[in-house]
Amino acid sequence: EDQVTQSPEALRLQEGESSSLNCSYTVSGLRGLFWYRQDPGKGPEFLFTLYSAGEEKEKERLKATLTKKESFLHITAPKPEDSATYLCAVPNLPSGTYKYIFGTGTRLKVLA
Amino acid sequence: DGGITQSPKYLFRKEGQNVTLSCEQNLNHDAMYWYRQDPGQGLRLIYYSQIVNDFQKGDIAEGYSVSREKKESFPLTVTSAQKNPTAFYLCASSISDSRPLHFGNGTRLTVT
Repeated sequence: EDQVTQSPEALRLQEGESSSLNCSYTVSGLRGLFWYRQDPGKGPEFLFTLYSAGEEKEKERLKATLTKKESFLHITAPKPEDSATYLCAVPNLPSGTYKYIFGTGTRLKVLA
Repeated sequence: DGGITQSPKYLFRKEGQNVTLSCEQNLNHDAMYWYRQDPGQGLRLIYYSQIVNDFQKGDIAEGYSVSREKKESFPLTVTSAQKNPTAFYLCASSISDSRPLHFGNGTRLTVT
């Protein structure tokens, strides 16, 4: 069964303490992996798309990387405003199903 | 700016009443989706629509209904048949299958 698993479930960091969030997937024939940021009471905000192993994308303090089995969201020198839940998702197979598999997210708290 | 607008942000209803959640997008996306988000669970697909006048059941469609009369609009009705309607509802759109989803800011429905 196709699955997306995120770890850890929750993460507390001190301001400036870099770390990584993990998104493991078992979907064969990956057609993209998406990262989102979700603030409490709001909808997920799209961050990155990764399509092939070795690909990297960056935005401010965030860098997303992709291997054949997992993706990492690296947070460098985080600030309290980076506190949020981070979700990853992959399109489900077969193509044309318009379905996506979401992880349950990592709740990140950055302390000042 | 292009985006997805969900209204209202909060909705309160008595048990046994039907309620309709609004979703409008000006991204010119063909595909639209409704998801339900509950604490500790990943996003679950209720309905999706690939094109106007066509929609498909998702994984948890029982107790819900939708319509897609215009490209921009995809309202969701939560009927009295839905056993646990209290949840956070998210509308999303995408250019096509397997492309990133773009989300609205959600409607929190409370049924008592």
